[in-house]
Amino acid sequence: DQQVKQNSPSLSVQEGRISILNCDYTNSMFDYFLWYKKYPAEGPTFLISISSIKDKNEDGRFTVFLNKSAKHLSLHIVPSQPGDSAVYFCAARVQGQNFVFGPGTRLSVLP
Amino acid sequence: DTGVSQDPRHKITKRGQNVTFRCDPISEHNRLYWYRQTLGQGPEFLTYFQNEAQLEKSRLLSDRFSAERPKGSFSTLEIQRTEQGDSAMYLCASSLAPTNNEQFFGPGTRLTVL
Repeated sequence: DQQVKQNSPSLSVQEGRISILNCDYTNSMFDYFLWYKKYPAEGPTFLISISSIKDKNEDGRFTVFLNKSAKHLSLHIVPSQPGDSAVYFCAARVQGQNFVFGPGTRLSVLP
Repeated sequence: DTGVSQDPRHKITKRGQNVTFRCDPISEHNRLYWYRQTLGQGPEFLTYFQNEAQLEKSRLLSDRFSAERPKGSFSTLEIQRTEQGDSAMYLCASSLAPTNNEQFFGPGTRLTVL
């Protein structure tokens, strides 16, 4: 039973366009969400986070949106760059518990 | 480099052997986590420490898995009597609780059990 789902295993986007990565969750008690990026042969790298008291958080080219009623969050990357090509994981946790990760979405940014 | 380090990066072993992995967290981080990642999946939480105390270990996959952090700095993860199903990437992460929720990951140890 996956509590955190990333239903698109892969996504291809043209350089300069917007990349939108989606994540759905089932546990309404999740109160904090993270996005990580992972290159081959490296560990995941933290990108951006959002608390359940917010619906948007922005950091440079990266913006995370949270829709609590839909139990859905998304990561927007704009403009997309070839160096953004990686696997992206969303993760969520209930306060006081550990993070649950989604299966990841592989993003390919085409030059 | 002051990031999380893991050793070895790769380990090939025969079924039935014991293996031990080491993780050195970011020096000021008090929490240390172990995860397992298999192909096509995200990291799966195994256990974590706050300083030297192991606060959660119910997610360890079986009693063949154990972890220690004896002095609250580096940690080891041991798998006894390895099985082919143990083949995976084992990731370590650290964080500074309670001020920071973000976990910083090491590069992982890839285990192959033949």
